[in-house]
Amino acid sequence: DARVTQTPRHKVTEMGQEVTMRCQPILGHNTVFWYRQTMMQGLELLAYFRNRAPLDDSGMPKDRFSAEMPDATLATLKIQPSEPRDSAVYFCASGLVRTGRTEAFFGQGTRLTVV
Amino acid sequence: SQQGEEDPQALSIQEGENATMNCSYKTSINNLQWYRQNSGRGLVHLILIRSNEREKHSGRLRVTLDTSKKSSSLLITASRAADTASYFCATDARETSYDKVIFGPGTSLSVIP
Repeated sequence: DARVTQTPRHKVTEMGQEVTMRCQPILGHNTVFWYRQTMMQGLELLAYFRNRAPLDDSGMPKDRFSAEMPDATLATLKIQPSEPRDSAVYFCASGLVRTGRTEAFFGQGTRLTVV
Repeated sequence: SQQGEEDPQALSIQEGENATMNCSYKTSINNLQWYRQNSGRGLVHLILIRSNEREKHSGRLRVTLDTSKKSSSLLITASRAADTASYFCATDARETSYDKVIFGPGTSLSVIP
């Protein structure tokens, strides 16, 4: 049963610490999305990769956030230094771009709490 | 800015009734998708409708798309308590060179047994 795997599921950290969230996309998918979900802002697109290349990270605070795909089986989202306002659920989704359509499959999310 | 906006924000119905949620968007799209999210879980893809389609069915789900009004509706017939969840529409903007899937704020559906 193919699924997107995210680790860790939960993370509590102190302000100023580095946080790394990992995502294993579904094998064969060529597109990876990172979203952040909060009550106030809903689902925000942070970054978008296709064939491991970043196409759009305009939704991401550049000074503290970075997203990478070291290989086709791993996507990472780092926050350094973390701040309390970064507390949210971070979702990774992968998809296979076909002509004119992209359907995203979501992981279970990483619930981040920065205290 | 968000591409899609769902309406209503929250909906409470009795089991067996139909639930209708609406989504409006701003720009031309390739496709519109509906997702469901149970509390504390990730999003699950429900249905995709292409911009050249007007209606699509999947089980108890019926989705319509009106590109002239830039709106879509999701109808869940004969609702069940297990349908309680948040429902999101997602669109991809046609003017971009790639499919950037943007979500609306969602409709929270409560189905009362």
